[in-house]
Amino acid sequence: GAVVSQHPSRVICKSGTSVKIECRSLDFQATTMFWYRQFPKQSLMLMATSNEGSKATYEQGVEKDKFLINHASLTLSTLTVTSAHPEDSSFYICSARNPPRETQYFGPGTRLLVL
Amino acid sequence: ELKVEQNPLFLSMQEGKNYTIYCNYSTTSDRLYWYRQDPGKSLESLFVLLSNGAVKQEGRLMASLDTKARLSTLHITAAVHDLSATYFCAARLMDSNYQLIWGAGTKLIIKP
Repeated sequence: GAVVSQHPSRVICKSGTSVKIECRSLDFQATTMFWYRQFPKQSLMLMATSNEGSKATYEQGVEKDKFLINHASLTLSTLTVTSAHPEDSSFYICSARNPPRETQYFGPGTRLLVL
Repeated sequence: ELKVEQNPLFLSMQEGKNYTIYCNYSTTSDRLYWYRQDPGKSLESLFVLLSNGAVKQEGRLMASLDTKARLSTLHITAAVHDLSATYFCAARLMDSNYQLIWGAGTKLIIKP
């Protein structure tokens, strides 16, 4: 099946710093990738849809300037959490669809802890 | 507005028993997905259901879709401990670029 990787898998940072998370589709091209965050014991919350070659589409309530998304190529999307605060601590997951397959494939997730 | 409701949210059962998780969605959708998540891990795709009456089976899991009732079910047959996980259903938001609307998840614990 299609493989999606994320890096890093776990990151601890100080409050006020920025953190970049990479999402790569390893064996297919993904024109669209999705970024989610998940709080403990909760469902996934879609943050934004990342479109290759254009601006990301953010969900209501998600700050564009805080969560910067760049879809630089058909296999790479990055999420940068700027000026991170403890409340940004969460599990961040990306996904991508491998057309024409219907399934969305998920990355292994990145656990962010902001101290 | 598309909403997805799962029930039950928590299920504890004995090995060898059968049970069903239900997933209702509020408006028309043309894709219904089931995923599994183990603690601390990401999501694993189980099934994609595309049409009314679709039924898919993989081992002890069987998923079905009734688009008229806007209902999907995930049936577990003769449960084993390895199936303990959280199961999510998600429906595709129509006229979107495969944006999914997620259920709250069902935490399944299977006791020996």
